[in-house]
Amino acid sequence: AQSVTQLGSHVSVSEGALVLLRCNYSSSVPPYLFWYVQYPNQGLQLLLKYTSAATLVKGINGFEAEFKKSETSFHLTKPSAHMSDAAEYFCAVIGGSQGNLIFGKGTKLSVKP
Amino acid sequence: KAGVTQTPRYLIKTRGQQVTLSCSPISGHRSVSWYQQTPGQGLQFLFEYFSETQRNKGNFPGRFSGRQFSNSRSEMNVSTLELGDSALYLCASSLVQGKSGEQYFGPGTRLTVT
Repeated sequence: AQSVTQLGSHVSVSEGALVLLRCNYSSSVPPYLFWYVQYPNQGLQLLLKYTSAATLVKGINGFEAEFKKSETSFHLTKPSAHMSDAAEYFCAVIGGSQGNLIFGKGTKLSVKP
Repeated sequence: KAGVTQTPRYLIKTRGQQVTLSCSPISGHRSVSWYQQTPGQGLQFLFEYFSETQRNKGNFPGRFSGRQFSNSRSEMNVSTLELGDSALYLCASSLVQGKSGEQYFGPGTRLTVT
C-alpha cells in the first residue's frame, strides 16, 4: 500500500534561508506525488505534482521538489524563505485502486524575521 | 474560474444530531472527494463521487454518507454526531477520476460537536 512519511512536524528557518521539507514515500508502483500547502483557516493549495515526466518539478511561489527513486524521497525546497511561506505543508501520494490522496502528517513551517 | 466552495464554513452541533455539508466543485469538474482533518489523525479520505456514483470509500463508519447531484455538486451527511466528529471537513474537486487527477480543495467546513 502506498504511504508517505514527512520527517519533522515543525521546521523553523530564518527569512532568506533555504527551506527543506522532507518527504519519503512507500509505493510498489511508480507513484504520483504531490505537495500541498495550507494557510491558517484555509483549505489546501496544490504547490506541485510529480507524474514521472521529469524528476525535478517546479511549483508555485518558488518551490520545487526532486523525485529520487533510489532514496524514495520527494523533498520540497525553496532557496530563500519569505515570511509569507509560514504555513503547514503536506506531502501526498495517490493511493488505493481508485486514486484517492493519502497524506503525510504535515510539517509546520515557521519563518523568523 | 471560481474555485471550490463549501457551505457552511462553520457549524456547531450537539452530540446525537445530524449534519449536512455542501460542496460545489469547480465548473467542469466531475469528481468530488471528501476528507476529514483532525489534529490527531491528520487528513483522512472519506469518499469520492464521480458522475453521481460513489467510486471509492475510506475507512469511516456508516454514519458518514454522501451523494452527488447531476450538476456535480455534492453533499455529505453525518448522522448521530459524536464528539470525535469535530473536525475540518474538506471537499476537493478534479476534472477526472483516478490516479492522475489533480485535486483542488475548498476552504473547508469546520464542524464543532458539543
